[in-house]
Amino acid sequence: GAVVSQHPSRVICKSGTSVKIECRSLDFQATTMFWYRQFPKQSLMLMATSNEGSKATYEQGVEKDKFLINHASLTLSTLTVTSAHPEDSSFYICSARDSGGLTDTQYFGPGTRLTVL
Amino acid sequence: AQSVTQLGSHVSVSEGALVLLRCNYSSSVPPYLFWYVQYPNQGLQLLLKYTTGATLVKGINGFEAEFKKSETSFHLTKPSAHMSDAAEYFCAVRKRGGGADGLTFGKGTHLIIQP
Repeated sequence: GAVVSQHPSRVICKSGTSVKIECRSLDFQATTMFWYRQFPKQSLMLMATSNEGSKATYEQGVEKDKFLINHASLTLSTLTVTSAHPEDSSFYICSARDSGGLTDTQYFGPGTRLTVL
Repeated sequence: AQSVTQLGSHVSVSEGALVLLRCNYSSSVPPYLFWYVQYPNQGLQLLLKYTTGATLVKGINGFEAEFKKSETSFHLTKPSAHMSDAAEYFCAVRKRGGGADGLTFGKGTHLIIQP
């Protein structure tokens, strides 16, 4: 099956620093990737839709200047949390849309645990 | 707008017993429906999905779900629970034809398996 990887799996940073999270589709091309955020013991909330070669589309309430998304290739999207603060600590999960084949399925990465001190 | 309701934030069953996790959706048009499982500190794994065709969908690990349009439901079942089934389960929807849309998730149900 299709595989999506995320790097790093876990990151701890100081308040005020920026953190970049990578999401890669390993065996398929993904023109569309999605970034979700999951707070402890809660559901996933869609943050933004990342489109290859164009600007990301952000959900209402998500600060585009704080969560920078770059989808520079068909297999890589990055999420940069700028000037991170403790309230940004969360589990960030990406998914990639495999638009090829018959199923148009989204495959999820394993997630990145961000802790801001 | 779409929404997903999962009844019961926690469900506890004995090993070997029937597992039933409930999911109801709200949408003007029946959406695509998904069930995902999440183990601690891991991402989501697709259990099964319904897009079209047969309303009873079989997934991995012995799970199945039935789409009932009249009840706007997509409940997840497994005849006999195993200890390894203990995890968080999420029901999700996506609108038909909305391949470029993200998923809308329910709040999740934590499945506890008692020995």
